[in-house]
Amino acid sequence: GENVEQHPSTLSVQEGDSAVIKCTYSDSASNYFPWYKQELGKGPQLIIDIRSNVGEKKDQRIAVTLNKTAKHFSLHITETQPEDSAVYFCAASSPYALNFGKGTSLLVTP
Amino acid sequence: GAVVSQHPSWVICKSGTSVKIECRSLDFQATTMFWYRQFPKQSLMLMATSNEGSKATYEQGVEKDKFLINHASLTLSTLTVTSAHPEDSSFYICSARNGDRGYNEQFFGPGTRLTVL
Repeated sequence: GENVEQHPSTLSVQEGDSAVIKCTYSDSASNYFPWYKQELGKGPQLIIDIRSNVGEKKDQRIAVTLNKTAKHFSLHITETQPEDSAVYFCAASSPYALNFGKGTSLLVTP
Repeated sequence: GAVVSQHPSWVICKSGTSVKIECRSLDFQATTMFWYRQFPKQSLMLMATSNEGSKATYEQGVEKDKFLINHASLTLSTLTVTSAHPEDSSFYICSARNGDRGYNEQFFGPGTRLTVL
């Protein structure tokens, strides 16, 4: 089955700096790569996603890149703010199975 | 769009009782709904996949007689934890997939915190 590795497990940055979270996957059939933000006590919220026919996607301060050859994808958050502090999960999906990474706890300090 | 609700948001029950959790897709028809559980500081673990009008497919190690799933309509799925025990205490999260989309785009509910005393 699909195996998704996510690094780092914790990340601390100062407000205004950039944060990068990286994931790798094993199943070449995976064609959809969403990123979720989960705040304490809440469900995951989809923040950005990328499909296998695209190499990069950007939405304001958030961007995701995908390297299908190397089977890795990354989340980039620029100009971080304290409200970006949360746990971020990457996932790799075939048409019917969504496989999650173990999560990255991001702390943005003022 | 793509809003998923869960009810209740939290529940405390006595050991041996059953608890029902509802998951609704509010603004789209969900041909497939998913149930996850999440322990503190861990990732989401898929418990089962349910398709409207058919039996749920459970992941390995998940007891289907203990975690009863019903997906009676395109907007509602329920998870019943039967004869709950303290080890069933967890955060239960549902998600719904919009059947019109070709990709496995899932929208998650806010979760239900179950505490079994």
